[in-house]
Amino acid sequence: AQTVTQSQPEMSVQEAETVTLSCTYDTSESDYYLFWYKQPPSRQMILVIRQEAYKQQNATENRFSVNFQKAAKSFSLKISDSQLGDAAMYFCAYRNRREDDKIIFGKGTRLHILP
Amino acid sequence: EPEVTQTPSHQVTQMGQEVILRCVPISNHLYFYWYRQILGQKVEFLVSFYNNEISEKSEIFDDQFSVERPDGSNFTLKIRSTKLEDSAMYFCASRIPGATLKAFFGQGTRLTVV
Repeated sequence: AQTVTQSQPEMSVQEAETVTLSCTYDTSESDYYLFWYKQPPSRQMILVIRQEAYKQQNATENRFSVNFQKAAKSFSLKISDSQLGDAAMYFCAYRNRREDDKIIFGKGTRLHILP
Repeated sequence: EPEVTQTPSHQVTQMGQEVILRCVPISNHLYFYWYRQILGQKVEFLVSFYNNEISEKSEIFDDQFSVERPDGSNFTLKIRSTKLEDSAMYFCASRIPGATLKAFFGQGTRLTVV
């Protein structure tokens, strides 16, 4: 069975600084997707960034980038130039490539932005 | 951007009572999901629903749970006889076929069983 582990329950970063959230996963599949979702307080989860396992190039979305290490089964999220609006719970997630498969989430990391 | 809407945002119910959690997925979406998160734990998959039937369910989704799409717009999760351990945040999600990378989530319903 696939699992996703986020070992940092909470993190804090100074505004404008860079922070990296860690995520590891376990799977025997070779083709899958990885995601980072953001959940602001009392708001829905929104997709921040995604990575297809067959792509070697790390995904980037503006200030958000990932470090995807397939052999190590590691998928960390880097947030550059942190902003107050980045404060949220961040979930790392995994999904097999099969059409209707479920998403498997980590426990989440609560990110605090210090002004 | 379109949103998945869940109601109510918070529901308190007595143990043994039935509850129905409601979700309005995005209108052209065809895959629907329920997830739950017990406080301090992982977000867990409950069930997926496509073409008016369950496509997959987890071991959590036992006979006490059911899902329905009664009118083509709502997607409901019913818990027949709630237990204390059903207290959790329940998330609904939906997506269109082929858009395998992006599911849209609702903001969740916090269910408290007392």
